[in-house]
Amino acid sequence: EDQVTQSPEALRLQEGESSSLNCSYTVSGLRGLFWYRQDPGKGPEFLFTLYSAGEEKEKERLKATLTKKESFLHITAPKPEDSATYLCAVQPIGTASKLTFGTGTRLQVTL
Amino acid sequence: GAGVSQSPSNKVTEKGKDVELRCDPISGHTALYWYRQSLGQGLEFLIYFQGNSAPDKSGLPSDRFSAERTGGSVSTLTIQRTQQEDSAVYLCASSLGGRLDTQYFGPGTRLTVL
Repeated sequence: EDQVTQSPEALRLQEGESSSLNCSYTVSGLRGLFWYRQDPGKGPEFLFTLYSAGEEKEKERLKATLTKKESFLHITAPKPEDSATYLCAVQPIGTASKLTFGTGTRLQVTL
Repeated sequence: GAGVSQSPSNKVTEKGKDVELRCDPISGHTALYWYRQSLGQGLEFLIYFQGNSAPDKSGLPSDRFSAERTGGSVSTLTIQRTQQEDSAVYLCASSLGGRLDTQYFGPGTRLTVL
């Protein structure tokens, strides 16, 4: 069975304090790994898709990386507006596009 | 451009009543998905529509749940004889439908069953 585990469950950072969120996955074959951001009371907002080990993508203060077993979301010099829940999802090969999600990392960035 | 829209944003119902949740996908997107997000749980896949193909209903938790998509656009998720464990946020997503496509989510409908 496909599984996605995210850690830590919650993370509190001071503004400017860089850190990384982890997403470990187990799938029979990976078609793509997705990162989303979710603010309270809203739907997930797409951030990145990674397709193969070694791939990296960046957007502002966020950088996502992928290995054969896990993905990291690196946050450099975070700001309070980066506070949100970050969700990781995998799209296994042969599952007609449905995503399997982790339970997310709740990030709080304080001044 | 306009994103995925869902209605209502909130729905409170009594146990045993039927509810209908609506999703309007992004114009031009051929694939549409329903997910459920319960407190403390990850998003759980419910059903997937792609063009005129038969829907993938493998995630529906019971036969009280059904969904249809009319004209390849708007979708309605129906829950019959609601139970308290059906309380959750129901999220709809749409995508272009390609092999490596990105799903874009709506704001969700928060369902509370009393």
